[in-house]
Amino acid sequence: NAGVTQTPKFQVLKTGQSMTLQCAQDMNHEYMSWYRQDPGMGLRLIHYSVGAGITDQGEVPNGYNVSRSTTEDFPLRLLSAAPSQTSVYFCASSYIGAGEQYFGPGTRLTVT
Amino acid sequence: AQKVTQAQTEISVVEKEDVTLDCVYETRDTTYYLFWYKQPPSGELVFLIRRNSFDEQNEISGRYSWNFQKSTSSFNFTITASQVVDSAVYFCALKTSYDKVIFGPGTSLSVIP
Repeated sequence: NAGVTQTPKFQVLKTGQSMTLQCAQDMNHEYMSWYRQDPGMGLRLIHYSVGAGITDQGEVPNGYNVSRSTTEDFPLRLLSAAPSQTSVYFCASSYIGAGEQYFGPGTRLTVT
Repeated sequence: AQKVTQAQTEISVVEKEDVTLDCVYETRDTTYYLFWYKQPPSGELVFLIRRNSFDEQNEISGRYSWNFQKSTSSFNFTITASQVVDSAVYFCALKTSYDKVIFGPGTSLSVIP
């Protein structure tokens, strides 16, 4: 099992550009989520999904879109990048209910 | 609304000392789950322990122990005889019945040899 994979590992964008961060898991987990990690702020939930076709907003959803067309994939789209979106992004997956989350290795995004 | 507070931003201890990391949570749900995760300097996030709202039994696992008290909404984590390899950021997290998982801001633990 590859677990949770994220691509790319690093990305530099200019303000206003768009891009998609990819996340995939091969553990058949129903639940997937995206977090951003900023110094002193911990992990903040951006969007999450409890199954294919179902997504919901987290704590800081503005500026980000998600979709869940398959159980395995949960891409995060930045529509128009801003410097405030400079962060490390983590994707995670788990079983519904008591399941602990498995995290990807993270994507370090810099917006200039 | 749900919230997780970790009042200790940074802790520094000398190797072999015991250290307790505090976590206080808020939720109106009666069914919920609490977690601790570790993020070492390499950056990956590692699951440590889970407790559900119906299980207040505290546990010891090797050098780690957990104290879950619903009456004070606290889920504290203790490392006994700390080691340099315990140096990391530790996150407490709350998962409610809607499966939304919220993390606290983290506590950075430095264990000095």
